[in-house]
Amino acid sequence: SYVLTQPPSVSVAPGQTARIACAGNNIGSKSVHWYQQKPGQAPLLVIYYDADRPSVIPERFSGSNSGNTATLTISRVEAGDEADYYCQVWDTPNDHPVFGTGTKVTVL
Amino acid sequence: QVQLVESGGGLVKPGGSLRLSCTASGFIFSDYYLSWIRQAPGKGLEWVSYIRSSNSATYYVDSVKGRFTISRDNTKNSLFLQMNSLRAEDTALYFCARADCGGDCSPHFFDSWGPGTQVTVSS
Repeated sequence: SYVLTQPPSVSVAPGQTARIACAGNNIGSKSVHWYQQKPGQAPLLVIYYDADRPSVIPERFSGSNSGNTATLTISRVEAGDEADYYCQVWDTPNDHPVFGTGTKVTVL
Repeated sequence: QVQLVESGGGLVKPGGSLRLSCTASGFIFSDYYLSWIRQAPGKGLEWVSYIRSSNSATYYVDSVKGRFTISRDNTKNSLFLQMNSLRAEDTALYFCARADCGGDCSPHFFDSWGPGTQVTVSS
């Protein structure tokens, strides 16, 4: 089964840029989606198809995908961005979704 | 707006059963694939099962095959998860989620989630 690996944690100062990596074998050939989950809440889709944003998500959130790594970038980080972030792809051969291990973003 | 609300969670002994429900509103329920996704305490997201809209084909993670059954009632805008032979490792918050498409398309992501219902398996 396809495996997605994320760093357990990322720390960033307010106003700086956070980059969250999602590693998978030839992930650049797949569509990657990202979710934000704040404590006690359901996940919220923040990026889909590598780099598209739902209308309610600020432009500070962006995504890229190439080779063996996809990246979620949060620019001008705010305290409200503190959350867990998960990447996800659809494992087409096995016809089911796969989630990354998750990254906790801490705003210093 | 799209709304998903889960119910049916609770405390159950190992080997017991529970039936989760998810009631949907704000969209044409029969047009979309739906899924159950769980999160064990302090852990990440784990996909459990999903059901297609067109032919109600079902899919399961290996750890629940033969024990869990997903179903849907399009007349009642409801999704279900019958969980039998429950184990301690099934303890989790169970989310209902809507996939981004239905019919004969290939799903890619989940664009709406419910708040979840807690399932605790313990003696």
